[in-house]
Amino acid sequence: DTGVSQNPRHKITKRGQNVTFRCDPISEHNRLYWYRQTLGQGPEFLTYFQNEAQLEKSRLLSDRFSAERPKGSFSTLEIQRTEQGDSAMYLCASSVSHEQFFGPGTRLTVL
Amino acid sequence: GESVGLHLPTLSVQEGDNSIINCAYSNSASDYFIWYKQESGKGPQFIIDIRSNMDKRQGQRVTVLLNKTVKHLSLQIAATQPGDSAVYFCAEKSYSGAGSYQLTFGKGTKLSVIP
Repeated sequence: DTGVSQNPRHKITKRGQNVTFRCDPISEHNRLYWYRQTLGQGPEFLTYFQNEAQLEKSRLLSDRFSAERPKGSFSTLEIQRTEQGDSAMYLCASSVSHEQFFGPGTRLTVL
Repeated sequence: GESVGLHLPTLSVQEGDNSIINCAYSNSASDYFIWYKQESGKGPQFIIDIRSNMDKRQGQRVTVLLNKTVKHLSLQIAATQPGDSAVYFCAEKSYSGAGSYQLTFGKGTKLSVIP
């Protein structure tokens, strides 16, 4: 257990529905990252927060995706109008220096 | 395309033998190279990293070798144990310019340890 928690661990939804995931980083970590991982692949960077500011977004983050970190602590990732191609593991990581600590991920299945 | 990749998707080794997992990269500007271990149902776990100005770094039972001439990275695990069974990813870390270090992962090698 790295100290990064994610909820829910699993989410099954129907195509077109909205879903929201939560990440609670290690408390003193000011940097927070979201990644997406599909089966057999390495994680792909989605977005990065430093405190409450979203400083970087990947081109993978379509306009159906939005992430927030309102108080600089926990973060949420919302996917609107889900598509089957959104099925993946969504990983959160936090850091205070260059080493990133990953949470267990939320596995999303879109039917 | 990917800038980091692995030569072999699967590797089976006998318990007690040494394991070598390889990785090729293409971005010479990366500051660090990192190996992660991912067990089923868990997020990636940091194993060891190496700065781009080094060619070897040792940890507990693990050694990472960096060959910048051929852009090759390897992870050596000594006396492989059943608990080492997992998917191993190499990742390169480069400064993104937005105050963060961005990780670019390869596809992963699945290590299976035969008891």
